[in-house]
Amino acid sequence: AQTVTQSQPEMSVQEAETVTLSCTYDTSESDYYLFWYKQPPSRQMILVIRQEAYKQQNATENRFSVNFQKAAKSFSLKISDSQLGDAAMYFCAYRSSYNNNDMRFGAGTRLTVKP
Amino acid sequence: GAVVSQHPSRVICKSGTSVKIECRSLDFQATTMFWYRQFPKKSLMLMATSNEGSKATYEQGVEKDKFLINHASLTLSTLTVTSAHPEDSSFYICSAIAGGPEETQYFGPGTRLLVL
Repeated sequence: AQTVTQSQPEMSVQEAETVTLSCTYDTSESDYYLFWYKQPPSRQMILVIRQEAYKQQNATENRFSVNFQKAAKSFSLKISDSQLGDAAMYFCAYRSSYNNNDMRFGAGTRLTVKP
Repeated sequence: GAVVSQHPSRVICKSGTSVKIECRSLDFQATTMFWYRQFPKKSLMLMATSNEGSKATYEQGVEKDKFLINHASLTLSTLTVTSAHPEDSSFYICSAIAGGPEETQYFGPGTRLLVL
């Protein structure tokens, strides 16, 4: 079964600085999707960014970008120019392209942004 | 992005009663809906997947008779916690997708269940 590992339970960043959250996954599939979700204190899950495994180009959404290393099965999230509103739990997720039901989440990383 | 709603947002009930949680896709037709459970400071645990008009697929260890799921239409799925007990207290989150695995999964705001 696919597993998703987030090795950083907590991270802290100074406002306006850059932070990188780590995520690795294990799979035998060649085609899949990777996601980063943000869960603020309201607990609403918000999609931050997604990456299709067949795309070599790293996805970017404004201040958020990923470093997708398929061979290493690594999918880190970089947040540039961190803002106070970025403080939240961040979950890395994997979804199989062969099975709708197969979506796995990492344990999460709690990000604190210091003013 | 697409909107998924959940109702109620919070419910407190007595032990032994049943509680129904609704999940609706407001601006798209959801071919598949997912139900997750989240314990405090923990990740999301997939409970079951439901497709409109068919029986839900439950994850290993999830009691299908305890957690009844109905996906009656392309915009509504319900989770009923039957004969709830204090250990069922948790945060329940639904999500939905409009198509296949390539589609983005949108999440509802969650329902906090407290069983006394």
